[in-house]
Amino acid sequence: DAKTTQPPSMDCAEGRAANLPCNHSTISGNEYVYWYRQIHSQGPQYIIHGLKNNETNEMASLIITEDRKSSTLILPHATLRDTAVYYCIVKGNAGNMLTFGGGTRLMVKP
Amino acid sequence: GAGVSQTPSNKVTEKGKYVELRCDPISGHTALYWYRQSLGQGPEFLIYFQGTGAADDSGLPNDRFFAVRPEGSVSTLKIQRTERGDSAVYLCASSLGWVGDEQFFGPGTRLTVL
Repeated sequence: DAKTTQPPSMDCAEGRAANLPCNHSTISGNEYVYWYRQIHSQGPQYIIHGLKNNETNEMASLIITEDRKSSTLILPHATLRDTAVYYCIVKGNAGNMLTFGGGTRLMVKP
Repeated sequence: GAGVSQTPSNKVTEKGKYVELRCDPISGHTALYWYRQSLGQGPEFLIYFQGTGAADDSGLPNDRFFAVRPEGSVSTLKIQRTERGDSAVYLCASSLGWVGDEQFFGPGTRLTVL
């Protein structure tokens, strides 16, 4: 699976959009981009995933660039409860396990 | 509905002892995963079950680690001759079992080896 690069930390004001970037320049054509988050002292939680089209669900939106070498997770109206570590993971169809990197620690501030 | 549960939530043991960590997956989930998370790092894959069999155990660090899932539901991670370096949070996840599906994680078991 391709490696991902994320900033180690970011701040966001409560009520504003949080935009979390991820670089995955070595992504292959059949690899998906997944986002999970981990709130302190809890297990990781699935947020969203996509292949090449932008995706949106009740939690977030995922924007993938046309060349698929990077993506952005958007939390449209961040709340204090969105404070967590956000992991961007690239995964193909060959294996089922998730390979976590260091993630981005998002701090939502009042 | 009920999510993935793990017991115990905390386990303190002495170096050299044997420990068992239990995972109850979501009912109907055929795939089960174990991960280990050290302080300040992301989870690290250990082993993956599809049904009763270990489909991928490439993440187990050495032969002191072993996991079973005899009836295709509950799984037990077993660690022999524990070492201080085994101290971590052990996470279990389950999923429906098809490629690309969402993994649901339990709260983890915090293992401390003194």
